[in-house]
Amino acid sequence: GNSVTQMEGPVTLSEEAFLTINCTYTATGYPSLFWYVQYPGEGLQLLLKATKADDKGSNKGFEATYRKETTSFHLEKGSVQVSDSAVYFCALSGSSASKIIFGSGTRLSIRP
Amino acid sequence: DAGITQSPRHKVTETGTPVTLRCHQTENHRYMYWYRQDPGHGLRLIHYSYGVKDTDKGEVSDGYSVSRSKTEDFLLTLESATSSQTSVYFCAISKIAGTGETGELFFGEGSRLTVL
Repeated sequence: GNSVTQMEGPVTLSEEAFLTINCTYTATGYPSLFWYVQYPGEGLQLLLKATKADDKGSNKGFEATYRKETTSFHLEKGSVQVSDSAVYFCALSGSSASKIIFGSGTRLSIRP
Repeated sequence: DAGITQSPRHKVTETGTPVTLRCHQTENHRYMYWYRQDPGHGLRLIHYSYGVKDTDKGEVSDGYSVSRSKTEDFLLTLESATSSQTSVYFCAISKIAGTGETGELFFGEGSRLTVL
């Protein structure tokens, strides 16, 4: 079945550092891929998405490229801020909208 | 704002008691979901609904039941709560119109349940 694997956390960086959070997936067909972010005490919200191979999703300075050849969707940001501290989830949606699978989440902490 | 309200937001109960969590949406979307969030496991799908009286199981459905008698409400029931069901429960909706589409989920703020 479909699955998502993302890097273990927590990840701690200094402000303005470069961020990469790895995500790889296993899926049949052509899934859509998502990154969600969860700020303390809140529900998840969509950060970015990509629906087909080689698409790049971007939002708030974050980017991720749908790489079918490596089955990856790594999240990157060139210069992180303290306000980026949150838990980040990689997710995929297959041909059935009902089957939206999440990774285990990566907690990111940014030091001033 | 996707108009999703979860209640109660916090609940402490004892093992063996029944518990019902409510999810209410204001936009009449077809697809609704219940997830639980636990450290190390991310979000796991419990049940979902694709219309009134139409529900299906997710990956961790044992010990849970759901009902959807109106489009706007999706209820999650623990018939006899156990300590392993201590978790944060999230309701979500999808704004897609039917199967074959993929779309983002919109989440409620969560319901923290503690079973003693």
